[in-house]
Amino acid sequence: NAGVTQTPKFRILKIGQSMTLQCTQDMNHNYMYWYRQDPGMGLKLIYYSVGAGITDKGEVPNGYNVSRSTTEDFPLRLELAAPSQTSVYFCASKRDRGGNQPQHFGDGTRLSIL
Amino acid sequence: KQEVTQIPAALSVPEGENLVLNCSFTDSAIYNLQWFRQDPGKGLTSLLLIQSSQREQTSGRLNASLDKSSGRSTLYIAASQPGDSATYLCAVSGAAGNKLTFGGGTRVLVKP
Repeated sequence: NAGVTQTPKFRILKIGQSMTLQCTQDMNHNYMYWYRQDPGMGLKLIYYSVGAGITDKGEVPNGYNVSRSTTEDFPLRLELAAPSQTSVYFCASKRDRGGNQPQHFGDGTRLSIL
Repeated sequence: KQEVTQIPAALSVPEGENLVLNCSFTDSAIYNLQWFRQDPGKGLTSLLLIQSSQREQTSGRLNASLDKSSGRSTLYIAASQPGDSATYLCAVSGAAGNKLTFGGGTRVLVKP
């Protein structure tokens, strides 16, 4: 039971480069999320999706893009990487809106922009 | 805008002592509240989820209470162990039930 899988686990980018962080879940969850966590801080929501073909902005969407072409996958795209995007990125999913449904998290991608 | 606060930011206790972790939120119109554990360099593990209609949830040595009217939740960990050392985060889901707002976490160290 893989749950939520994120790749890569670590990455170093140069300023101005672009990359895609991959996230896939095998639990047939409808809702998926991308968060970033800066050192010593809580998580901030970047984007989320309530189903294939539907995405919406979270608290800190600038500099990022997402797509949701399948239920399983929710990639996060960084265009023109900036030092302020150095962070740990977490993907999460949950089955649906139900009040008893917890979010399940991947192990994160540690990204450094130099 | 919902704001979630966890005080203190760090806590150190001797093994065997009970842990009390606090979480406060500004908007009482929540759908549910979750407590997570995060080990260094790892993702988040869901510990307890309290729906808005509930007052508490229990799992083993863990008990979480929810008082929506005062905007507070408390996580109790009984008879702490060194293995309980981690960062504990609380998060609330807004009325729409689709997004979580996180607190900054409380870093716990249980000394043998």
